Amino acid sequence: GENVEQHPSTLSVQEGDSAVIKCTYSDSASNYFPWYKQELGKRPQLIIDIRSNVGEKKDQRIAVTLNKTAKHFSLHITETQPEDSAVYFCAARAGNMLTFGGGTRLMVKP
Amino acid sequence: DGGITQSPKYLFRKEGQNVTLSCEQNLNHDAMYWYRQDPGQGLRLIYYSQIVNDFQKGDIAEGYSVSREKKESFPLTVTSAQKNPTAFYLCASSSSRTGGREQYFGPGTRLTVT
Repeated sequence: GENVEQHPSTLSVQEGDSAVIKCTYSDSASNYFPWYKQELGKRPQLIIDIRSNVGEKKDQRIAVTLNKTAKHFSLHITETQPEDSAVYFCAARAGNMLTFGGGTRLMVKP
Repeated sequence: DGGITQSPKYLFRKEGQNVTLSCEQNLNHDAMYWYRQDPGQGLRLIYYSQIVNDFQKGDIAEGYSVSREKKESFPLTVTSAQKNPTAFYLCASSSSRTGGREQYFGPGTRLTVT
């Protein structure tokens, strides 16, 4: 089955700096790659996603890039703010199932 | 925060008891999913269901059972056979109209077994 690795597991940045989280996947059949944000004690919420026919997608301060050949995709957050502090999960979808990475705890220091 | 609900928010049980976690959605979604989340870890798929009266095992189905008698409901039973049931359980649903891609999560149930 699919295996998704996510790095780093924790990331601390200064407010205003950029943050990058990287994921690799194993199944070349995966065709959909969402990113979820989970604040403490709350449900995961989709923040951005990308499909396999697109190399990059941007939504305000958030962008995702996908390299299908290398089987990796990344989340980029620019101009980080304290409210960006949360756990971020990447995922890859092959068939009917989403496989999640282990999560990255992002801490934005004011 | 409507759409998909889970109850209760916190649940405490003694070892050896079966316990059923509720998940209901009013989004008219076809597919529903159960995930387990352990501290500092990602989400692992327990079971999923694409249509009523049908469901498939995920990566960690042992010790769990589900039913899908209604489109809106997908209860999860944690049986006494589950070796380490204490965890945060998340239910999710998705629509076939979007290719089942985006999954909407419920608020979760934190189960503690002692």
